[in-house]
Amino acid sequence: QLQLQESGPGLVKPSDTLSLTCTVSGDSISSTNYFWGWIRQPPGKGLEWIGSLNFRGSTYYNPSLKSRVTVSVDTSQNQFSLKLTSVTAADTAAYYCAREWASGLVRMDLWGQGTMVTVSS
Amino acid sequence: QSVLTQPPSASGTPGQRVTISCSGSNSNIGTNSVSWYQQLPGTAPKLLIYGSDQRPSGVPDRFSGSKSATSASLAISGLQSEDEADYYCAAWDDSLNGHWVFGGGTKLTVL
Repeated sequence: QLQLQESGPGLVKPSDTLSLTCTVSGDSISSTNYFWGWIRQPPGKGLEWIGSLNFRGSTYYNPSLKSRVTVSVDTSQNQFSLKLTSVTAADTAAYYCAREWASGLVRMDLWGQGTMVTVSS
Repeated sequence: QSVLTQPPSASGTPGQRVTISCSGSNSNIGTNSVSWYQQLPGTAPKLLIYGSDQRPSGVPDRFSGSKSATSASLAISGLQSEDEADYYCAAWDDSLNGHWVFGGGTKLTVL
């Protein structure tokens, strides 16, 4: 059964770069059917989509975050990653990775459990 | 400010039917299908409805979705206490090279 697991530091200093990895198990990340995405949720607030990519490295980004975000894929490790630069307290959130259907009835059908990242000195 | 607009709260008593609305625009709901997500307290969101009205395997048929023009709705019939959760709508938006957009979420309280 497909599972996604986020990993990375739980604490990041202001102005530093937040880096997270999502490990996909139970299936190959190299499928033409899917994109692999990142979504975040500040404490007590709603969901915000950050960006996604496919195994070929084609990417889509949230226009409001695009200047600070990079998503990348490592097919040999069945992983994809998120980098968010110049973080501030406003980037404190639970970060989720998810599988996105790339065509047809698009949706985010499988989610990781999430990892909390706090931006603080 | 979310691109898709949902009411911040909704409520109902056990057994009732409740609906949650989601309003968008031509570039998102008007063109693409809507998905709904249920987030129980302290857990990750879970796909509830996709393709505006399709239920994934395992989702009870008490949950249903619909779409008309630039709006969508989630209906929950036979409300149960375990349905108390936050509900989010989402759609692909074709503007600005394409990106996902979410509603602000609706907190459903079972009275």
